[in-house]
Amino acid sequence: AQSVTQLGSHVSVSEGALVLLRCNYSSSVPPYLFWYVQYPNQGLQLLLKYTTGATLVKGINGFEAEFKKSETSFHLTKPSAHMSDAAEYFCAVSDQDNQGGKLIFGQGTELSVKP
Amino acid sequence: DAGITQSPRHKVTETGTPVTLRCHQTENHRYMYWYRQDPGHGLRLIHYSYGVKDTDKGEVSDGYSVSRSKTEDFLLTLESATSSQTSVYFCAIRDRGSGNTIYFGEGSWLTVV
Repeated sequence: AQSVTQLGSHVSVSEGALVLLRCNYSSSVPPYLFWYVQYPNQGLQLLLKYTTGATLVKGINGFEAEFKKSETSFHLTKPSAHMSDAAEYFCAVSDQDNQGGKLIFGQGTELSVKP
Repeated sequence: DAGITQSPRHKVTETGTPVTLRCHQTENHRYMYWYRQDPGHGLRLIHYSYGVKDTDKGEVSDGYSVSRSKTEDFLLTLESATSSQTSVYFCAIRDRGSGNTIYFGEGSWLTVV
């Protein structure tokens, strides 16, 4: 069975500071990993994904994540936070094409950005 | 925009009444999903479909049924709504053209009173 743990349900940073959102996963097979962002009263938007190949993945809005198999982690980072980054972020894992490509989500991390 | 439309977007209903949510897609995707979102739980899969008349259960399927009689429509039905089914419901599709990326609709807010 697969699972995802996001460390910290709320993270607060100052504008211009580093953003680090933590995600650890459990999977018995090579995983696909995803980060989604959700702005208030909207659906989920894909930030980035890891499938195979390069372990450092770059996404939209200046975000990136690194797949570390030895640590079973896929942490999301951004060098300099903007006010517009305030949103909820979800990490998710999929077992590739098995099981219908279903996503298993973490519980989410709400990011606040202070002026 | 993955061409997903959910309806209704907002609904208030009474306990014990049936409710159907509709997900419509315009790009002929084979796989469609229904998730619910609740605080502290992230999103959890209710049911999914891998083709017309082909569906399977997800993690939280009790109290829900689905139907897919056409490729473009995936219906989620609450046969007898309960307060525990107050939630935000998201439909999603899997897009083979973008490496099997899953895209979400805008959500349907359901309140059961």
